[in-house]
Amino acid sequence: DAGVIQSPRHEVTEMGQEVTLRCKPISGHDYLFWYRQTMMRGLELLIYFNNNVPIDDSGMPEDRFSAKMPNASFSTLKIQPSEPRDSAVYFCASSLAGGSPNEQFFGPGTRLTVL
Amino acid sequence: ELKVEQNPLFLSMQEGKNYTIYCNYSTTSDRLYWYRQDPGKSLESLFVLLSNGAVKQEGRLMASLDTKARLSTLHITAAVHDLSATYFCAVEYSGGGADGLTFGKGTHLIIQP
Repeated sequence: DAGVIQSPRHEVTEMGQEVTLRCKPISGHDYLFWYRQTMMRGLELLIYFNNNVPIDDSGMPEDRFSAKMPNASFSTLKIQPSEPRDSAVYFCASSLAGGSPNEQFFGPGTRLTVL
Repeated sequence: ELKVEQNPLFLSMQEGKNYTIYCNYSTTSDRLYWYRQDPGKSLESLFVLLSNGAVKQEGRLMASLDTKARLSTLHITAAVHDLSATYFCAVEYSGGGADGLTFGKGTHLIIQP
C-alpha cells in the first residue's frame, strides 16, 4: 500500500492568501484525521472524519479553517485567509476502526509557511 | 479535557545506558500509542497498548501500560545512536470506534557515542 499521501509537501504563501492542503488516506480506511504540529503547541488534533462525515471539529482554531471529505479517498484542509501564525506542519492520518487496533498511520505532512 | 504529560522532555544519554520515558494521562483510557519522529519526518508508530498490564517489546525498546495509574513507560535498553529521535506518547479516548489522539509534548532523545 502507498500509505497516506499528502500534497503539497511544502507550501509558502503570503498572508491573506487561500491555502488548500490535500490528503489521500490508505485505501479501505474509514477514519481520517487532520493534525497540526508547531513548536509552541506540539501536535494538535484539528478535525476527524468517519466514513466521510465530520465527527469532531472542536480543534479547528477558527472559522478561517475548513475541512471537507467529498469521498473516501480524498480530503482537503483549507485556510482562508492565511495568517503567519498558521505556519506549521499539517499531518493527515487514517485508520480502520475495528481493525487491530485503531492504529493511526500518518502521512509525510505539509510544511506551511505563511509570510 | 484529556491531558498527556511526558517526562523528561529532553534526554541526553550515552550509548549502552538504560533509561525510561514516562507518560501520564489525566482520564480513563485503555488505548495508548507510542510514536517516533525523526527531524523533519512524519510520525512512525512504535507500539499500541490496549489493556492494563500490556507490555510490548521491539528490539531495544519496551513499552508498558498501567491503566489504573494512568501511566505508560517506554524503556530503552543499551541505547544506540540510531535511537536518537523524538518520542511521543498519545492517548485515545476509549468507548468504541476511533477517536483523535491527544499527544504529549514529546521527549527529545539524543544518544551520544
